[in-house]
Amino acid sequence: SQKIEQNSEALNIQEGKTATLTCNYTNYSPAYLQWYRQDPGRGPVFLLLIRENEKEKRKERLKVTFDTTLKQSLFHITASQPADSATYLCALTSGTYKYIFGTGTRLKVLA
Amino acid sequence: NAGVTQTPKFQVLKTGQSMTLQCAQDMNHEYMSWYRQDPGMGLRLIHYSVGAGITDQGEVPNGYNVSRSTTEDFPLRLLSAAPSQTSVYFCASSPAGLARTGELFFGEGSRLTVL
Repeated sequence: SQKIEQNSEALNIQEGKTATLTCNYTNYSPAYLQWYRQDPGRGPVFLLLIRENEKEKRKERLKVTFDTTLKQSLFHITASQPADSATYLCALTSGTYKYIFGTGTRLKVLA
Repeated sequence: NAGVTQTPKFQVLKTGQSMTLQCAQDMNHEYMSWYRQDPGMGLRLIHYSVGAGITDQGEVPNGYNVSRSTTEDFPLRLLSAAPSQTSVYFCASSPAGLARTGELFFGEGSRLTVL
């Protein structure tokens, strides 16, 4: 069955460092991969989208890579700040209206 | 713009009761959807709609009904609540041009407990 895996353990990093989160998937050929941020008690907020034919996408301090051979996406936050502390979700779609979400990785940036 | 508005934010039901979770968006989005989020499970798609009068099932549709009579509203009905439906429910919308690629706009969620 289709599956997305994100590191379920929380990631703690020091302020100013680069946070790297991983999203692996199996039994799926996505056309689009998205990353969302979710704060406690809130709905997810869209951050970045990357297409299957794109290797890398950047937006301000965020960078996403997409390796369809490894079936993996990496999400980087450079110069991390305590305000970046949240749960980050990855999601896939093959171009239909249905999405598959990962369980998310909780990031905590320590001051 | 209020974005995607969900009501109620919290609800407690007894097994067998029925209720409707409301979702409204003021962005004129054609695509609307309902997800449930459970610990360790990620967001799972319940039902979705690509326009008024058009709905389809997602991954976990059993026990839930939807209808889409207007562009703005997409209510989710639980006909006979079960403890397994205890969850946090999210409504999400997207304009037609982005719905296939994945930029979803989420509401703040409705936390439902079924006793």
